[in-house]
Formats: sequence, C-alpha cells, structure tokens
Amino acid sequence: DTAVSQTPKYLVTQMGNDKSIKCEQNLGHDTMYWYKQDSKKFLKIMFSYNNKELIINETVPNRFSPKSPDKAHLNLHINSLELGDSAVYFCASSPLGTSGGIEQFFGPGTRLTVL
Amino acid sequence: AQSVTQLGSHVSVSEGALVLLRCNYSSSVPPYLFWYVQYPNQGLQLLLKYTTGATLVKGINGFEAEFKKSETSFHLTKPSAHMSDAAEYFCAVSDWEYGNKLVFGAGTILRVKS
Repeated sequence: DTAVSQTPKYLVTQMGNDKSIKCEQNLGHDTMYWYKQDSKKFLKIMFSYNNKELIINETVPNRFSPKSPDKAHLNLHINSLELGDSAVYFCASSPLGTSGGIEQFFGPGTRLTVL
Repeated sequence: AQSVTQLGSHVSVSEGALVLLRCNYSSSVPPYLFWYVQYPNQGLQLLLKYTTGATLVKGINGFEAEFKKSETSFHLTKPSAHMSDAAEYFCAVSDWEYGNKLVFGAGTILRVKS
C-alpha cells in the first residue's frame, strides 16, 4: 500500500555513467515532482509534471531529463554523471490545485553516490 | 520570490521540555506554510500546514504552529518533547504562483536528551 515509491533506494556509480531513477505513485494524483537534497540537507525543486506535462523546470543541467509516461510515473534520467550529482533525490506527488496549500507526499528517496 | 529562514540548524532539548523550532518566511503573495519532518534515512512527512483561517494549526504527534503575519513567522512548538521526536524538521512555503513548488528552509535538527 505504498503511496509514493522510488527505485532504487541506493545507487552507486562512476563518473560519466548514465543512470535512471524511477518513481511511481498510487494516490491518483495529477502532479509529480523531483527534489534534490544535497549533502547539507538542503531541499530544492528540480522538476514538476502535471498530467504528463512539464510545468516546473528549475535551473537544472541539461544532463537531467525527466520523463512521465503516465500521470502515475515520473522518472529521472541523468546523463554523464558528475561528482556534484551525489545527493538524495526525492520524488513527490500532490493533487492538482489552483492555489497553494496542497500537501505533497514524498517518496523514501534515492541516495545517489557518484565515485 | 518566496523564501524561508529557519533559525538554528540544531536544537537540543531535554525529554519533557518545550520544543520551539523557528521559521520565518518571505512571500509576495498570501503564504501557504508547511512543516515537514524527516527521520533518518526516510522521506518527508507532513506535520501540519497553514492555508487560511485559524492561525493556530494543530498537527500530528502533538505539534502545533502559529501563523503570525505581522512577524512573518510560523514557529513550530510541542509542549513536551519525546525521544521519538528526534529528527530533522523543515519549514516550507508554497510558491503557488509557479506550479505549486515548495520552497524549503535549511532544516533544523532536533535532538532530545534523556
């Protein structure tokens, strides 16, 4: 009965590799997000999709490409991994809303370590 | 643009003592404010949120927060700390003009001493 799930939980890889993180939500939400939590625990939005349409694209390198095959899934693909990409990546989802105050539900996170 | 400042990256209290975690926000539109908790190696869980209406908001696990517009604050309190409250707490404001993204503060680690 997991609400927002992510795979894998841990990802260790070499610089220059390409990797993907998958996210799925079974809450019936229309909107999904990717956040990055750096080594100092600072959380920052990367992307947001609403019904498979990209609506937020923060200043993120082009090496990061989100893909939403359907509204229950939002995957994150990273090309040419760099040391600075090491972080915990959180997926989240929320119902669609025209104003703020809408709770976002977070997944357990994927800890990416680039060697 | 919205922003959040959490005063004190670490707060230490004794078990049974009052917990006070400070959060100040900056927002160009009516703010929607949240407190999330993150236990070690876990995702974020919503404690409480303020949207409109009553300025004193009650959340889970005995936490509450008061929205004070004049002070642009949304401090989190709990009358009596429990060992299980040890975690990292994040205050966030919803930047709802731009896709409802959450803008987080830097977080406050709460340590509870026995």
